[in-house]
Amino acid sequence: GDSVTQMEGPVTLSEEAFLTINCTYTATGYPSLFWYVQYPGEGLQLLLKATKADDKGSNKGFEATYRKETTSFHLEKGSVQVSDSAVYFCALSEVDTGNQFYFGTGTSLTVIP
Amino acid sequence: SQTIHQWPATLVQPVGSPLSLECTVEGTSNPNLYWYRQAAGRGLQLLFYSVGIGQISSEVPQNLSASRPQDRQFILSSKKLLLSDSGFYLCALLLAGEYEQFFGPGTRLTVL
Repeated sequence: GDSVTQMEGPVTLSEEAFLTINCTYTATGYPSLFWYVQYPGEGLQLLLKATKADDKGSNKGFEATYRKETTSFHLEKGSVQVSDSAVYFCALSEVDTGNQFYFGTGTSLTVIP
Repeated sequence: SQTIHQWPATLVQPVGSPLSLECTVEGTSNPNLYWYRQAAGRGLQLLFYSVGIGQISSEVPQNLSASRPQDRQFILSSKKLLLSDSGFYLCALLLAGEYEQFFGPGTRLTVL
């Protein structure tokens, strides 16, 4: 079945450091891929998405590229800020499974000044 | 654009008491609706989803139930809460023809 495997956390970085959070997936068809962000005490917000292979999603300085050959969708940011401290979830959905969403376990990021 | 409301925002309940959490949506019709639970420090667990009024699919057998009495209302219930029901409950919707789910602000439930 479909699944998402996400880099274990927590991750602690200094401000302006480079961020990578790894995400790989297993899917039977051609999924859409997502990164969601959850700030403390809040619901999830869509950060970026990619709906087909080689698409790059980007938002707020974050980027992720849909790599079909490696079944990956790693999240990157060149220079993190304290305000980026949150939990990040990788997810996929697939039309073949009725648009069911499959989430990774989440990666907690703390950015220190 | 669509808006998701969840009520209440926080709740503290004793073990064995009943539960009713409400999710209402605005700005859309006939969405798919979902209930997730997030236990402390853990990922999201899909509990129920609904593709229409009165249609509920359960992902995990447990002491919780869900109902969709109206197109824009999704209710999560329990007759007797367990300690393990503590967590952050999130309602989400998926619009027809869209790819991403939109999430509500969540309800923090503590069972004592």
